[in-house]
Formats: sequence, C-alpha cells, structure tokens
Amino acid sequence: AQSVTQLGSHVSVSEGALVLLRCNYSSSVPPYLFWYVQYPNQGLQLLLKYTSAATLVKGINGFEAEFKKSETSFHLTKPSAHMSDAAEYFCAVRTNSGNTPLVFGKGTRLSVIA
Amino acid sequence: EPEVTQTPSHQVTQMGQEVILRCVPISNHLYFYWYRQILGQKVEFLVSFYNNEISEKSEIFDDQFSVERPDGSNFTLKIRSTKLEDSAMYFCASSERVGGNEKLFFGSGTQLSVL
Repeated sequence: AQSVTQLGSHVSVSEGALVLLRCNYSSSVPPYLFWYVQYPNQGLQLLLKYTSAATLVKGINGFEAEFKKSETSFHLTKPSAHMSDAAEYFCAVRTNSGNTPLVFGKGTRLSVIA
Repeated sequence: EPEVTQTPSHQVTQMGQEVILRCVPISNHLYFYWYRQILGQKVEFLVSFYNNEISEKSEIFDDQFSVERPDGSNFTLKIRSTKLEDSAMYFCASSERVGGNEKLFFGSGTQLSVL
C-alpha cells in the first residue's frame, strides 16, 4: 500500500524567501507523485506531477519538485515566496494499477509574511 | 479551465439524519470520486465510480454510504444515518480517463457538520 508523509502541518516564510514543503512517500511499486494546492474556498488544484520522466518537475506558479528515489522524497520548492502562495498544499501518491485511489498526505498550510 | 461544482458548500445536520451531497463533474469526464477530510487529518479516499457502478471503495465507505449518478450530470453521495464522526469536508473529483498519472479535478468541497 502507498502512503505519504508531509513534515510540518504549518510552514511560515517571509515574502521573497525560499519555500520548501517536504513530502516522503512509501510505495512498493514505482509511484506517480502529485502536489495539489487548495486556496481558501476553492477546490484542490494540481500543481505538478511526477510520472517517471524527468526527476525534476516544474509546475504552475513557479513551483517545482524533485523526485529522489534514494530518499523516497518529493519535496516542493519555490525560490521566492509570494503573498498569493498562501494556501494548503497536499502531496499525493498513486500507482498505475488500474484505477487505484490517490492517497494524500495531511497537508501543509503555507503562510507568507510580508 | 472547466470546474467540478459541489453543493451545498456547507451542510449542518442532526445525528441520525440523511444527507445528500451533490456534485456536477466536468461534462466529458467518465470517472468520479469522493474524498473526505476530517479536520486535522488526511484527505481520505471514499469511493470511485465508473460506468454507473462503484469501481473501488475504501473501508470507510460502509453501508451507510451510497453514490448515484441519477441524471447523467449529477453525482451524489448519500449518507443514510449521519454520525458525529461523519463531520468532515467532502470533496468530489472527476477525471477524463483512468490511470495512475491521470489528473483529477476537484470541487471546492462540502463542509458537513453533524450535531
């Protein structure tokens, strides 16, 4: 069975500072990995996904994530935080076996301080 | 970008009452899902639905839950006799195809409060 662990339920950064949101996964087969973002009063939106092509994945809004098999990690980064990045971020894992469910982490709330 | 629509955004109900949460998936999508998030916990998979039948369900999705696509556009989740522990944010999602790397489109959720 797959699972993800997101370290830190709340991360606070200053505007312009580096954003680093951590995600570690567990999967017995090669996984697909996702980052979703939820802005206030909105649904979950896909930021980026890893599908076994490039290990460094670029997403929307300047975010990127690197798949590191040796560390079973898929951390999300952004070089310079913007106030509009304040949201809840969810890491998720899925395998390619039929229609297996997307398995989410607990989420990390990102606050950006002016 | 097309959207998944969920109604209502908030639902308050008494324990033991039945509730129906409604979702309108994206029109050309064929696969539908319900997830929920209890406050402070993970987003959990409940059920997936394709071709008018459940394709997969979690252990959470017991006999008090049911899903239906009554009219070709709506996708509903019914909780027959609500319990306090059913209080959560319920998310509907849809996808065009099935597959591990397929993008799911999520609605903004229904916050269910059981009193």
